Amino acid sequence: QSALAQPLSVSGSPGQSVSISCTGSGRDVGDYNYVSWYQQQPGKAPKLLIYDVNKRPSGVSNRFSGSKSGNTASLIISGLQPDDEADYFCCSYTGGFTWVFGGGTKLTVL
Amino acid sequence: QMNLQESGPGRVRPSETLSLICTVSGDSMTRYFWSWIRQTAGGGLEWIGRISVSGITNYNPSLKSRISMSVDTSKNQFSLKMTSLTSADTAIFYCARGTYELWSFDYWGPGTLVTVSS
Repeated sequence: QSALAQPLSVSGSPGQSVSISCTGSGRDVGDYNYVSWYQQQPGKAPKLLIYDVNKRPSGVSNRFSGSKSGNTASLIISGLQPDDEADYFCCSYTGGFTWVFGGGTKLTVL
Repeated sequence: QMNLQESGPGRVRPSETLSLICTVSGDSMTRYFWSWIRQTAGGGLEWIGRISVSGITNYNPSLKSRISMSVDTSKNQFSLKMTSLTSADTAIFYCARGTYELWSFDYWGPGTLVTVSS
């Protein structure tokens, strides 16, 4: 069970859009539509942003969206705001009630 | 409002066993499953395992030989035991609620730092 691959860092200016990729394999991202994304502010626990590849829990801004193609999922953040500066993690179901996370991506709002 | 709170020793000596408890409040444990997730100094998250309210467990294959989980719904608690600790196990340990509808982790505890050191 290898960690999903994410870029170490991405950046963007306020108002711009950024995309964070999450690459797995046919045993996780490619095989299940159960990809979730989490936002972690410094010193805080992760917060669920996206589930089932592209669904948002109640209360999460529609500036956050998700997609998947093959073994790669993506989180898109539009209309960047300073508060979006955080670490972002992807997670995929891998079958048999097991999950795997990505290594995390640090988003810097310039 | 669902709340989860981890409790544990803070520091454990190498080769010893870690015991953590997660106390759940604000909702019934029944309709969900419960997980432990840790975050090492490098910053990545690692899923450790999950337990259902009936006690069925599933563990991360890389940790399976060293971990066990249990649940006590009468106390609204579930627990983690991890044996043979090394410095590589130093991490923030989170407990989290998993939902069968979302297949993700929608509520997390604040986390507890466990340092493995003599």
